[in-house]
Amino acid sequence: NAGVTQTPKFRILKIGQSMTLQCTQDMNHNYMYWYRQDPGMGLKLIYYSVGAGITDKGEVPNGYNVSRSTTEDFPLRLELAAPSQTSVYFCASSYGLFTDTQYFGPGTRLTVL
Amino acid sequence: KQEVTQIPAALSVPEGENLVLNCSFTDSAIYNLQWFRQDPGKGLTSLLLIQSSQREQTSGRLNASLDKSSGRSTLYIAASQPGDSATYLCAVTSSGDKLTFGTGTRLAVRP
Repeated sequence: NAGVTQTPKFRILKIGQSMTLQCTQDMNHNYMYWYRQDPGMGLKLIYYSVGAGITDKGEVPNGYNVSRSTTEDFPLRLELAAPSQTSVYFCASSYGLFTDTQYFGPGTRLTVL
Repeated sequence: KQEVTQIPAALSVPEGENLVLNCSFTDSAIYNLQWFRQDPGKGLTSLLLIQSSQREQTSGRLNASLDKSSGRSTLYIAASQPGDSATYLCAVTSSGDKLTFGTGTRLAVRP
Protein backbone atom coordinates (compact mmCIF):
# COMPACT_ATOMS: atom_id res chain seq x y z
CA ASN A 1 0.00 0.00 0.00
CA ALA A 2 1.98 3.02 -1.28
CA GLY A 3 -0.60 5.66 -0.31
CA VAL A 4 -0.26 8.81 -2.44
CA THR A 5 2.63 8.98 -4.88
CA GLN A 6 3.79 11.97 -6.91
CA THR A 7 6.22 12.35 -9.79
CA PRO A 8 8.55 14.02 -10.44
CA LYS A 9 10.12 15.06 -7.12
CA PHE A 10 11.94 18.03 -8.63
CA ARG A 11 11.63 19.94 -11.87
CA ILE A 12 13.03 23.11 -13.37
CA LEU A 13 11.05 24.76 -16.16
CA LYS A 14 11.71 27.71 -18.38
CA ILE A 15 9.11 30.45 -18.66
CA GLY A 16 6.43 29.43 -21.15
CA GLN A 17 7.07 25.69 -20.95
CA SER A 18 4.34 23.23 -19.96
CA MET A 19 4.39 20.12 -17.83
CA THR A 20 2.17 17.63 -16.04
CA LEU A 21 2.56 16.70 -12.39
CA GLN A 22 1.44 13.15 -11.77
CA CYS A 23 -0.47 11.93 -8.71
CA THR A 24 -1.69 8.42 -7.95
CA GLN A 25 -3.39 6.98 -4.88
CA ASP A 26 -4.07 3.32 -4.10
CA MET A 27 -6.52 3.77 -1.21
CA ASN A 28 -9.64 3.84 -3.42
CA HIS A 29 -10.45 7.36 -2.24
CA ASN A 30 -13.03 9.26 -4.23
CA TYR A 31 -11.72 12.68 -3.21
CA MET A 32 -8.42 14.09 -4.41
CA TYR A 33 -6.80 17.50 -4.12
CA TRP A 34 -3.92 19.61 -5.40
CA TYR A 35 -2.29 22.19 -3.15
CA ARG A 36 0.64 24.53 -3.51
CA GLN A 37 2.87 25.60 -0.64
CA ASP A 38 4.89 28.79 -0.96
CA PRO A 39 7.67 29.66 1.55
CA GLY A 40 6.22 31.05 4.76
CA MET A 41 2.66 30.57 3.56
CA GLY A 42 -0.03 28.05 4.31
CA LEU A 43 -1.11 25.50 1.71
CA LYS A 44 -3.49 26.83 -0.92
CA LEU A 45 -6.01 24.62 -2.73
CA ILE A 46 -5.63 24.66 -6.52
CA TYR A 47 -8.20 22.09 -7.69
CA TYR A 48 -10.06 19.17 -6.23
CA SER A 49 -12.05 16.19 -7.53
CA VAL A 50 -15.00 14.32 -6.03
CA GLY A 51 -14.67 11.36 -8.37
CA ALA A 52 -13.70 10.24 -11.85
CA GLY A 53 -14.80 12.84 -14.39
CA ILE A 54 -15.66 15.53 -11.79
CA THR A 55 -13.33 18.38 -10.85
CA ASP A 56 -13.75 21.83 -9.35
CA LYS A 57 -11.67 24.93 -8.76
CA GLY A 58 -10.06 25.74 -5.46
CA GLU A 59 -8.66 29.01 -4.20
CA VAL A 60 -5.84 29.50 -6.76
CA PRO A 61 -6.75 27.70 -10.05
CA ASN A 62 -5.41 30.21 -12.59
CA GLY A 63 -2.65 28.80 -14.78
CA TYR A 64 -3.51 25.18 -14.02
CA ASN A 65 -5.74 22.45 -15.40
CA VAL A 66 -6.74 19.05 -14.09
CA SER A 67 -8.46 15.92 -15.27
CA ARG A 68 -9.68 12.80 -13.48
CA SER A 69 -10.25 9.85 -15.79
CA THR A 70 -9.79 7.18 -13.11
CA THR A 71 -10.26 6.93 -9.36
CA GLU A 72 -6.52 6.46 -8.86
CA ASP A 73 -5.02 9.29 -10.94
CA PHE A 74 -5.33 13.06 -10.70
CA PRO A 75 -2.74 14.85 -12.87
CA LEU A 76 -2.13 18.61 -12.67
CA ARG A 77 -1.22 20.41 -15.87
CA LEU A 78 0.74 23.67 -15.95
CA GLU A 79 0.36 25.59 -19.18
CA LEU A 80 2.76 28.43 -20.03
CA ALA A 81 4.77 28.26 -16.83
CA ALA A 82 5.46 31.55 -15.03
CA PRO A 83 7.89 32.40 -12.18
CA SER A 84 4.87 32.88 -9.89
CA GLN A 85 4.25 29.13 -10.19
CA THR A 86 7.53 28.33 -8.46
CA SER A 87 6.34 26.37 -5.44
CA VAL A 88 6.03 22.96 -3.84
CA TYR A 89 2.99 21.07 -5.07
CA PHE A 90 1.21 18.49 -2.95
CA CYS A 91 -1.42 16.01 -3.99
CA ALA A 92 -3.75 14.56 -1.36
CA SER A 93 -6.69 12.19 -1.13
CA SER A 94 -9.38 11.42 1.41
CA TYR A 95 -12.32 9.16 2.08
CA GLY A 96 -14.65 12.07 2.85
CA LEU A 97 -14.70 15.48 1.16
CA PHE A 98 -12.69 18.02 3.21
CA THR A 99 -14.13 16.88 6.53
CA ASP A 100 -12.06 13.72 6.67
CA THR A 101 -8.36 13.07 7.19
CA GLN A 102 -6.39 13.89 4.08
CA TYR A 103 -3.39 11.77 3.05
CA PHE A 104 -0.61 13.66 1.33
CA GLY A 105 2.00 12.72 -1.23
CA PRO A 106 5.67 13.70 -0.79
CA GLY A 107 5.41 16.75 -3.04
CA THR A 108 6.94 18.09 -6.25
CA ARG A 109 9.36 21.02 -5.98
CA LEU A 110 8.97 23.15 -9.12
CA THR A 111 11.17 26.06 -10.13
CA VAL A 112 10.31 28.27 -13.08
CA LEU A 113 13.18 30.36 -14.41
CA LYS B 1 -12.97 34.50 5.10
CA GLN B 2 -11.39 32.03 7.49
CA GLU B 3 -7.86 32.82 8.64
CA VAL B 4 -5.64 30.52 10.65
CA THR B 5 -2.69 31.78 12.68
CA GLN B 6 0.03 29.81 14.42
CA ILE B 7 2.30 31.34 17.00
CA PRO B 8 5.21 31.05 17.49
CA ALA B 9 6.61 30.53 14.00
CA ALA B 10 9.58 28.66 15.48
CA LEU B 11 10.35 27.02 18.80
CA SER B 12 13.46 25.34 20.21
CA VAL B 13 13.31 23.24 23.38
CA PRO B 14 15.58 20.77 25.18
CA GLU B 15 14.75 17.09 25.00
CA GLY B 16 12.27 15.91 27.62
CA GLU B 17 10.40 19.17 27.92
CA ASN B 18 6.61 19.32 27.62
CA LEU B 19 5.46 21.91 25.12
CA VAL B 20 2.37 23.55 23.68
CA LEU B 21 1.79 24.73 20.13
CA ASN B 22 -0.96 27.24 19.48
CA CYS B 23 -3.43 27.68 16.65
CA SER B 24 -6.14 30.32 16.34
CA PHE B 25 -8.87 30.78 13.75
CA THR B 26 -11.18 33.70 13.00
CA ASP B 27 -14.46 31.95 12.12
CA SER B 28 -15.78 29.62 14.81
CA ALA B 29 -18.21 27.88 12.42
CA ILE B 30 -15.95 24.92 11.69
CA TYR B 31 -16.55 21.25 10.96
CA ASN B 32 -13.26 20.10 12.37
CA LEU B 33 -9.64 21.00 13.04
CA GLN B 34 -6.63 18.92 12.10
CA TRP B 35 -3.02 18.94 13.22
CA PHE B 36 -0.40 17.83 10.71
CA ARG B 37 3.32 17.16 10.90
CA GLN B 38 5.62 18.06 8.00
CA ASP B 39 9.22 16.86 7.85
CA PRO B 40 11.69 18.71 5.58
CA GLY B 41 11.20 17.74 1.95
CA LYS B 42 8.26 15.53 2.80
CA GLY B 43 4.51 15.66 2.61
CA LEU B 44 2.10 16.26 5.48
CA THR B 45 1.14 13.52 7.91
CA SER B 46 -2.13 13.84 9.79
CA LEU B 47 -1.63 13.61 13.56
CA LEU B 48 -5.02 14.35 15.07
CA LEU B 49 -8.46 15.36 13.84
CA ILE B 50 -10.92 16.98 16.26
CA GLN B 51 -14.55 17.23 15.26
CA SER B 52 -16.37 20.45 16.11
CA SER B 53 -18.39 18.62 18.78
CA GLN B 54 -15.26 17.35 20.54
CA ARG B 55 -13.07 19.09 23.08
CA GLU B 56 -9.90 17.06 22.66
CA GLN B 57 -8.18 14.12 21.00
CA THR B 58 -5.20 12.11 22.17
CA SER B 59 -2.65 9.95 20.39
CA GLY B 60 0.30 8.69 22.36
CA ARG B 61 2.28 11.68 23.65
CA LEU B 62 0.12 14.11 21.68
CA ASN B 63 -3.00 15.81 22.95
CA ALA B 64 -4.97 18.35 20.93
CA SER B 65 -7.69 20.52 22.42
CA LEU B 66 -10.32 22.64 20.73
CA ASP B 67 -12.19 25.67 22.04
CA LYS B 68 -14.51 26.67 19.22
CA SER B 69 -16.04 29.65 20.98
CA SER B 70 -12.67 31.33 21.43
CA GLY B 71 -11.30 30.15 18.08
CA ARG B 72 -8.34 28.31 19.57
CA SER B 73 -6.65 24.94 19.52
CA THR B 74 -3.53 23.71 21.24
CA LEU B 75 -1.29 20.75 20.52
CA TYR B 76 0.42 19.44 23.64
CA ILE B 77 3.52 17.28 23.19
CA ALA B 78 4.68 15.43 26.30
CA ALA B 79 8.28 14.48 26.98
CA SER B 80 9.57 15.84 23.70
CA GLN B 81 12.19 13.89 21.72
CA PRO B 82 14.60 14.92 18.93
CA GLY B 83 12.44 12.85 16.58
CA ASP B 84 9.59 15.29 17.20
CA SER B 85 11.54 18.00 15.34
CA ALA B 86 9.38 19.04 12.38
CA THR B 87 6.95 21.72 11.30
CA TYR B 88 3.47 21.40 12.79
CA LEU B 89 0.52 22.74 10.83
CA CYS B 90 -3.05 23.17 11.90
CA ALA B 91 -5.93 23.36 9.45
CA VAL B 92 -9.66 23.97 9.82
CA THR B 93 -12.58 22.88 7.69
CA SER B 94 -15.17 25.62 7.80
CA SER B 95 -18.88 25.23 7.08
CA GLY B 96 -19.33 24.95 3.32
CA ASP B 97 -15.68 25.71 2.74
CA LYS B 98 -12.38 24.07 2.10
CA LEU B 99 -9.44 23.30 4.35
CA THR B 100 -7.66 26.46 5.53
CA PHE B 101 -4.09 25.96 6.71
CA GLY B 102 -1.96 27.92 9.11
CA THR B 103 1.66 28.72 8.25
CA GLY B 104 3.02 26.30 10.83
CA THR B 105 5.32 26.21 13.85
CA ARG B 106 8.83 24.90 13.22
CA LEU B 107 9.86 22.83 16.25
CA ALA B 108 13.43 21.86 17.09
CA VAL B 109 14.06 19.52 20.03
CA ARG B 110 17.69 19.67 21.17
CA PRO B 111 19.33 16.45 22.46
